[in-house]
Amino acid sequence: KAGVTQTPRYLIKTRGQQVTLSCSPISGHRSVSWYQQTPGQGLQFLFEYFSETQRNKGNFPGRFSGRQFSNSRSEMNVSTLELGDSALYLCASSLTSGRALSSEQFFGPGTRLTVL
Amino acid sequence: AQKITQTQPGMFVQEKEAVTLDCTYDTSDPSYGLFWYKQPSSGEMIFLIYQGSYDQQNATEGRYSLNFQKARKSANLVISASQLGDSAMYFCAMREGIRRDDKIIFGKGTRLHILP
Repeated sequence: KAGVTQTPRYLIKTRGQQVTLSCSPISGHRSVSWYQQTPGQGLQFLFEYFSETQRNKGNFPGRFSGRQFSNSRSEMNVSTLELGDSALYLCASSLTSGRALSSEQFFGPGTRLTVL
Repeated sequence: AQKITQTQPGMFVQEKEAVTLDCTYDTSDPSYGLFWYKQPSSGEMIFLIYQGSYDQQNATEGRYSLNFQKARKSANLVISASQLGDSAMYFCAMREGIRRDDKIIFGKGTRLHILP
């Protein structure tokens, strides 16, 4: 079974631009979560989508948004990029959402975004 | 307040020795799950081991074991017979049962270096 895939793997943008990152979960997984990883702040939860609905959102400004499609693929969008948005963006999928504490999240390789 | 605390930013261990990575957590939820993830330089998060708050026995997975001390709110990861391939970042994480979603809270991580 193919793992979680994220595209693109690397991205360079300039301040003020917008960017869209894509995540394809493991086949059959309906929950997709997004995390931002930076050296200073570590791994921070962005949002989670389950069956095309946003279930939870982290403490990020409105410039960060996302959506999920009927095939469970998810995209996240960052508008008006700032230097501080440079980070590794990780996507994780799981079979269910919140049904079991032990439900494992499977992570993709991440998209490394650099904002110049 | 930090929910997950990893007090060791970095550790150097001789190959074949056992290593303990510290993790303390804070939650008022009686139902929670604790995870350890490994992140090699490639960036992908790899699930290692899970411990539920109601589990009677400490979790073990191959060379990984979790030293769960509920009263102390401690969930240390023990790697036996360390190998060069164990060099990576290690993250302790928690999911709280009351949330009913997939959000996982991560610690800042410990960078483990295995020396030949």
